[in-house]
Amino acid sequence: QSVLTQPPSASGTPGQRVTISCSGSSSNIGSNTVNWYQQLPGTAPKLLIYSNNQRPSGVPDRFSGSKSGTSASLAISGLQSEDEADYYCAAWDDSLNGSWVFGGGTKLTVL
Amino acid sequence: EVQLVQSGAEVKKPGESLRISCKGSGYSFTSYWINWVRQMPGKGLEWMGRIDPSDSYTNYSPSFQGHVTISADKSISTAYLQWSSLKASDTAMYYCASTGYSSGPNYWGQGTLVTVSS
Repeated sequence: QSVLTQPPSASGTPGQRVTISCSGSSSNIGSNTVNWYQQLPGTAPKLLIYSNNQRPSGVPDRFSGSKSGTSASLAISGLQSEDEADYYCAAWDDSLNGSWVFGGGTKLTVL
Repeated sequence: EVQLVQSGAEVKKPGESLRISCKGSGYSFTSYWINWVRQMPGKGLEWMGRIDPSDSYTNYSPSFQGHVTISADKSISTAYLQWSSLKASDTAMYYCASTGYSSGPNYWGQGTLVTVSS
């Protein structure tokens, strides 16, 4: 059971816009920024969004992030076949001695 | 360009010890924390802990505290994850990931597959 809650799956057709949600609590998303990661099949995760809505260099602007209260969202517009991957949210959790916590991951299928 | 290169796949027996490594290059190794993340077969990502290579300060996830040890040798820009007694349930892919753009895992290594089987 992951600390952050994501839907296990999402899907869309090419060109469509899809969103993936990430729900947390006051000790993590509610008080800290959120990162999003993309993991293509058989590869290491890659940072997609940091600090809620910032893109590292090289990440297309089709990817965007937002946060409100204790929830965050990743939006992918102009969906492409190569976007088919697992997506994870993560945030620092202030409880106990502090730790990073991940969502369970969302498998995105491009139909 | 930040690069993290991890040591190769390992096959071990239950009860054996193991240390895997993560070598950083393309940046000042002491500038970025190194995180370790576990991914069990077919499962999601789990944060294990992190180390500040400048002073070797560590903090661990409660789920992994006492089960693994994270260390670093800044003279050779390398971080380590070690077990004193492996279990079959330690079979997983292990990733190191440095901070960079922000706190938390940013730049990722290629992963080290650890298989523990009798």
